[in-house]
Amino acid sequence: EIVMTQSPATLSVSPGGRATLSCRASQSIGSNLTWYQQKPGQAPTILISGASTRATGIAARFSGSGSGAEFTLTINSLQSEDLAVYYCQQSTNWPWTFGQGTKVEIK
Amino acid sequence: EVHLAESGGGLIQPGGSLRLSCVASGFTVTSDYMNWVRQPPGKGLEWLSVTYGAIWSGRTYYADSVKGRFAVTRDTSKNRLFLQMNSLGAEDTAIYYCARGMGVFDSWGQGTLVTVSS
Repeated sequence: EIVMTQSPATLSVSPGGRATLSCRASQSIGSNLTWYQQKPGQAPTILISGASTRATGIAARFSGSGSGAEFTLTINSLQSEDLAVYYCQQSTNWPWTFGQGTKVEIK
Repeated sequence: EVHLAESGGGLIQPGGSLRLSCVASGFTVTSDYMNWVRQPPGKGLEWLSVTYGAIWSGRTYYADSVKGRFAVTRDTSKNRLFLQMNSLGAEDTAIYYCARGMGVFDSWGQGTLVTVSS
């Protein structure tokens, strides 16, 4: 099983600031990496697939990068509505696995 | 517009069984990949199963944690997916989501809460 490790567990960022979230896979997964956003009390929604392709309707201030085993989600110009837990997930091998999540707080 | 809605959750005693339902609109469950994902209260996400569309075999593959206890079926006439859960234990307490996609989950339902407790 591929283990996905996210850091930090919690990130506190001021409005208008930048949030940088990391995700590491226990082995190379190519670009088979998806990021999801889960706002409080809601189901997850897709943000980015293929490590760097924004889903339909996702703002350009969300960007993803990386390949192999190291990935990054960057949120520029952070807004209050970005308060959420962000999960990465690999789809290279079964079972598909998620990271434990990074909680983004607004300072 | 794609929409998914789960139902059937509730309080169940350890060792019991429960069947969850996921009704889809905006697409046909038999022509797409459908998944179940769960989330224990306050914790992270765990993928449970994927069911291939009928044109790709229609088979279901399960995570080891639920293999042999959980089973997915479909009601094509009502565009619905079911998750039959047997031999439930406290570790199965979670919000259960259905989600569409082959490894990339582009649509999710709102989830249904299953609580296993005596």
